Amino acid sequence: DTEVTQTPKHLVMGMTNKKSLKCEQHMGHRAMYWYKQKAKKPPELMFVYSYEKLSINESVPSRFSPECPNSSLLNLHLHALQPEDSALYLCASSQVTENSNQPQHFGDGTRLSIL
Amino acid sequence: QKEVEQDPGPLSVPEGAIVSLNCTYSNSAFQYFMWYRQYSRKGPELLMYTYSSGNKEDGRFTAQVDKSSKYISLFIRDSQPSDSATYLCASPRAGGTSYGKLTFGQGTILTVHP
Repeated sequence: DTEVTQTPKHLVMGMTNKKSLKCEQHMGHRAMYWYKQKAKKPPELMFVYSYEKLSINESVPSRFSPECPNSSLLNLHLHALQPEDSALYLCASSQVTENSNQPQHFGDGTRLSIL
Repeated sequence: QKEVEQDPGPLSVPEGAIVSLNCTYSNSAFQYFMWYRQYSRKGPELLMYTYSSGNKEDGRFTAQVDKSSKYISLFIRDSQPSDSATYLCASPRAGGTSYGKLTFGQGTILTVHP
């Protein structure tokens, strides 16, 4: 079992739906990340939060809206997604250090399918 | 040219074999290196984390870094069918606006057959 917990494990939604992905960690990490992973590809970074503040947005479309309510929780709000957004969405966390060298710990992801 | 290059394989070996997985990188700013293992339908799991040139051993796994040639390797001794997975090498960028950005290799698909 991973120390980063993601819910739900699977999600099927229509293009007009609004849904949210949730991520929780209790390792005391103050950096949290969202990644998107397509089949047979490495994870692609979407967002980085450091001390609950958004520090990196990798030019992600506005139909993806991240939120970090506290140091343990990270949400990704989804609205009006497209079929090409179907993928595995991974959450990760790490300690914060000046030179960002700490390893990231991943959850098992939410497998998202857009109809 | 990608900053981290990794042969995607697939690589198929018999049980008990020594497996060598390799990555090269082009950015001299990369100082820390990680190896992740990803089983199908699971998230990447941190296997090894290294900084200095040389070897780091953990059980059947050895990570090797050669900064002079910008080459990193993961060796698996006495490979088992349970080692069948995708292996990803990665390196974090230094601070500033790139904070937290992991650069991954493409991943190598490994199958260990009984």
